[in-house]
Amino acid sequence: EAQVTQNPRYLITVTGKKLTVTCSQNMNHEYMSWYRQDPGLGLRQIYYSMNVEVTDKGDVPEGYKVSRKEKRNFPLILESPSPNQTSLYFCASSPPGQGSVIQYFGAGTRLSVL
Amino acid sequence: QKEVEQNSGPLSVPEGAIASLNCTYSDRGSQSFFWYRQYSGKSPELIMFIYSNGDKEDGRFTAQLNKASQYVSLLIRDSQPSDSATYLCAVSSSGGSYIPTFGRGTSLIVHP
Repeated sequence: EAQVTQNPRYLITVTGKKLTVTCSQNMNHEYMSWYRQDPGLGLRQIYYSMNVEVTDKGDVPEGYKVSRKEKRNFPLILESPSPNQTSLYFCASSPPGQGSVIQYFGAGTRLSVL
Repeated sequence: QKEVEQNSGPLSVPEGAIASLNCTYSDRGSQSFFWYRQYSGKSPELIMFIYSNGDKEDGRFTAQLNKASQYVSLLIRDSQPSDSATYLCAVSSSGGSYIPTFGRGTSLIVHP
């Protein structure tokens, strides 16, 4: 089954404790990205990756890091989480040539930073 | 700052009616336009995309684009209670920009 898998689905942590949210897709997609969704603010792109070792900032990259060492994986790293990073996070991937036509979203990770 | 505006709703329509969802955007360089549906607590799913002025139909869904007016809409014919969800409009520009801008979404309620 074609899918984008995020883990964990739910995470409660404390300020300053480094964490990683994993994202994996089994569709051989080149384009992957991370979004956060907040009430009243909609979906905002954090980082995106056009291919292995190619990443770039989205609209709200501050406080986040990403890496793309393999085509299937695109982890999101919060080196020192803060309460304002409490949000619902989505990973997404898109087939080759589709540009930003995001066709597949992961199920989401709900993060709470205390 | 590129902006995509949607009425947050909720838009309430009776079962079987046509639901009309609207979206305006600020960037005249926008080339690609998308509609996503998001059920409560779930991830967005792409339901329509449109690149050219005019209408594009897919089953009960019709996307309409008017670049001169910077306006894109989604019509849902024969609305069903299962269509009740938040609909997100997203817009991206040409020239290699892969950062789509999403609207905040319109909540649609289809009542029996």
